[in-house]
Amino acid sequence: QKEVEQDPGPLSVPEGAIVSLNCTYSNSAFQYFMWYRQYSRKGPELLMYTYSSGNKEDGRFTAQVDKSSKYISLFIRDSQPSDSATYLCAMNNQGGKLIFGQGTELSVKP
Amino acid sequence: GAGVSQTPSNKVTEKGKYVELRCDPISGHTALYWYRQSLGQGPEFLIYFQGTGAADDSGLPNDRFFAVRPEGSVSTLKIQRTERGDSAVYLCASSLSGTLSYNEQFFGPGTRLTVL
Repeated sequence: QKEVEQDPGPLSVPEGAIVSLNCTYSNSAFQYFMWYRQYSRKGPELLMYTYSSGNKEDGRFTAQVDKSSKYISLFIRDSQPSDSATYLCAMNNQGGKLIFGQGTELSVKP
Repeated sequence: GAGVSQTPSNKVTEKGKYVELRCDPISGHTALYWYRQSLGQGPEFLIYFQGTGAADDSGLPNDRFFAVRPEGSVSTLKIQRTERGDSAVYLCASSLSGTLSYNEQFFGPGTRLTVL
């Protein structure tokens, strides 16, 4: 079993929909939780990071971490065609290497 | 540009050959990371440098893979006797420091390696 599990999708939604992406993990030592967005043939770029449990909001994006359930989520409100990309969750316990999920491919249709 | 750069962007080689992949981190970033991303998968950690030294090389799959960062800036990932299974996108990332509790890792565009 992988340390971080993420449904690969693909996920297709109409423009304006609310998108929910999530990951589960097994290592209780993880403290930092990140969501990266990766466009085709590009490197991942950081969307949001959260330390420990809780919620964090940035514009149309909300990240949630539930350490008791070892479950993290990313919500995208009012999704746009430009949000079409692969979304990767990543985590670590401090500094150093990131452990990534498989990535979820999202397509937002106009 | 101010981002992480990687060269070449694409590399096609034959099975058994030797390849070198180069990464130029963001200026001033002391930590540098190599990841490998296979098709349809998330990036998988290979090695991390803090300055010139490898702080964690636990992700290198075998002794055919080696990386250096002799002056604490540019890094080269070296793969000997390439195999078809080495075909993937090799991503490099850098951060201000790898030793603080959190540091954003900035990724380059990757080198797409194809082993025929």
